[in-house]
Amino acid sequence: QKEVEQNSGPLSVPEGAIASLNCTYSDRGSQSFFWYRQYSGKSPELIMSIYSNGDKEDGRFTAQLNKASQYVSLLIRDSQPSDSATYLCAVIGSARQLTFGSGTQLTVLP
Amino acid sequence: EPEVTQTPSHQVTQMGQEVILRCVPISNHLYFYWYRQILGQKVEFLVSFYNNEISEKSEIFDDQFSVERPDGSNFTLKIRSTKLEDSAMYFCASSDGTILTGELFFGEGSRLTVL
Repeated sequence: QKEVEQNSGPLSVPEGAIASLNCTYSDRGSQSFFWYRQYSGKSPELIMSIYSNGDKEDGRFTAQLNKASQYVSLLIRDSQPSDSATYLCAVIGSARQLTFGSGTQLTVLP
Repeated sequence: EPEVTQTPSHQVTQMGQEVILRCVPISNHLYFYWYRQILGQKVEFLVSFYNNEISEKSEIFDDQFSVERPDGSNFTLKIRSTKLEDSAMYFCASSDGTILTGELFFGEGSRLTVL
């Protein structure tokens, strides 16, 4: 079974710090990679997509992809308490399904 | 801003009963999806729907489940005979374009409790 793995956390960072979230995937046929944010009791919300190796920046968020290592990461710069949520890594693989990891819970401490 | 809407927000049912969960996707979107999330667990893919037919489905989406687009706006998930393990949050999602994408817009979910 194709898996998407994340550290469940919780990950705690002080306000203003960089939060680093990591994800690995097992399906070498995967081509599309996504980060979603899910606040407690709410639905997932797309924050970043990345399709090619390297970095992609959008505001305070940077997604990094390394297909050779089957590794995706998300950096959140200048973390704010409002960034406290569960971050879900998701991958479209050869099964043509968006497969989610179990998520990393991030807490940003004021 | 356009959004995906789901009803009901919460449904309680007895084991063995049929349940229909309803969704109104974003109007110009062409791909529709159902996902579920059991409390404390990961978001799991159930089914994708495009051009009035199922595009992909997971192992979870067995004969107890069906989807339908009965008119131009609604997209429904039916569970024929609910089991205790069907208790979960069910999310509808939609995406635009004609290709499969992971850039989905999720509704707020329907919480199903099976007693």
